[in-house]
Amino acid sequence: SQKIEQNSEALNIQEGKTATLTCNYTNYSPAYLQWYRQDPGRGPVFLLLIRENEKEKRKERLKVTFDTTLKQSLFHITASQPADSATYLCALDMTGGSYIPTFGRGTSLIVHP
Amino acid sequence: DSGVTQTPKHLITATGQRVTLRCSPRSGDLSVYWYQQSLDQGLQFLIQYYNGEERAKGNILERFSAQQFPDLHSELNLSSLELGDSALYFCASSVAGTLITDTQYFGPGTRLTVL
Repeated sequence: SQKIEQNSEALNIQEGKTATLTCNYTNYSPAYLQWYRQDPGRGPVFLLLIRENEKEKRKERLKVTFDTTLKQSLFHITASQPADSATYLCALDMTGGSYIPTFGRGTSLIVHP
Repeated sequence: DSGVTQTPKHLITATGQRVTLRCSPRSGDLSVYWYQQSLDQGLQFLIQYYNGEERAKGNILERFSAQQFPDLHSELNLSSLELGDSALYFCASSVAGTLITDTQYFGPGTRLTVL
């Protein structure tokens, strides 16, 4: 069956370092992949979208890579700050280019001052 | 603030009851989506409406129903509630919902507790 896998263990890093989060998927080739940020008790906030024919996308301190051979996306936050602490969700289309993505369970990032 | 509003913020009710959750989309957005988020299931898509018509259906139970009104606000009705329905329910809106680049803006959610 198709699965989206994000590390369920929280990622703890020191302020100023680069945080790298992983999203793996199986048994499918999505047309796109998105990353969202979610703070406790609040709705997800869209961050970035990357298409299958794009290797990398950047937005300010954020960088996303998409490796369709490895079936993996990496999400990087450079010069991380305590305010970056949140849960980060990846989402991708699981059925034929659907514009409604399926979400992973998310990985919690904790940036220590 | 995403511009999407949801009421109520919290709802506590008993098994077997029926509740209605309300969502007002961002100004200008025609598409509304409903999601359920629980600890064991993550964020699950329930249903989408576009300009008053149902557009897509996800993992929505038969006990649940939704509609979008002419003023574009939407309501999610949950009936014969069970303990397992306790979750955060999010509404999101987008301009049209027909392109992958059509960003979804999420509301603050309604936390439903079924006792």
